Amino acid sequence: TQLLEQSPQFLSIQEGENLTVYCNSSSVFSSLQWYRQEPGEGPVLLVTVVTGGEVKKLKRLTFQFGDARKDSSLHITAAQPGDTGLYLCAVTGNQFYFGTGTSLTVIP
Amino acid sequence: DAGVIQSPRHEVTEMGQEVTLRCKPISGHDYLFWYRQTMMRGLELLIYFNNNVPIDDSGMPEDRFSAKMPNASFSTLKIQPSEPRDSAVYFCASRFRSAEAFFGQGTRLTVV
Repeated sequence: TQLLEQSPQFLSIQEGENLTVYCNSSSVFSSLQWYRQEPGEGPVLLVTVVTGGEVKKLKRLTFQFGDARKDSSLHITAAQPGDTGLYLCAVTGNQFYFGTGTSLTVIP
Repeated sequence: DAGVIQSPRHEVTEMGQEVTLRCKPISGHDYLFWYRQTMMRGLELLIYFNNNVPIDDSGMPEDRFSAKMPNASFSTLKIQPSEPRDSAVYFCASRFRSAEAFFGQGTRLTVV
């Protein structure tokens, strides 16, 4: 059973466009993390969100944790080719499950 | 610290052979996780350890898979016998309590 569903699965956009990817679950989580994985590498942490409704910004990336702490979104403004990669949300705690992932390609 | 170190980076083996993947976690980290990543199934948690003790191995697909952590600085994932469907990238990750997890570069396993 997949606890975390991410959408869309694949996304290909032009440089400069904005995009939003989603991470959804029917379960409530105490915290959630977003990771980015580049080809040939392991995932690298971008952010941790803890409080329902919390919004965190990391340069052009904006992360939001849903009020009910069941979902999260990642918005990228003015995407650049360097943003290309696999974006994964993850449930933290004793175990450590990842979502299905969104593969983003930003075309120059 | 050099980060999480996995070896080998690539492994090609014949069906039926034993494969051993190795991981050295970051010093001081008390959790170690083994994952398998494929296009079809994404990043799957296989097993994790806390303070060298296996806590949950429910993700291990079959009895052919086994993992050990004899000490805080070393873990192995063994597949015996290997099958073509085991082909995947295997990642090891470590973290301290609930903080950020750090991943190794992975081992790309091909079973022919």
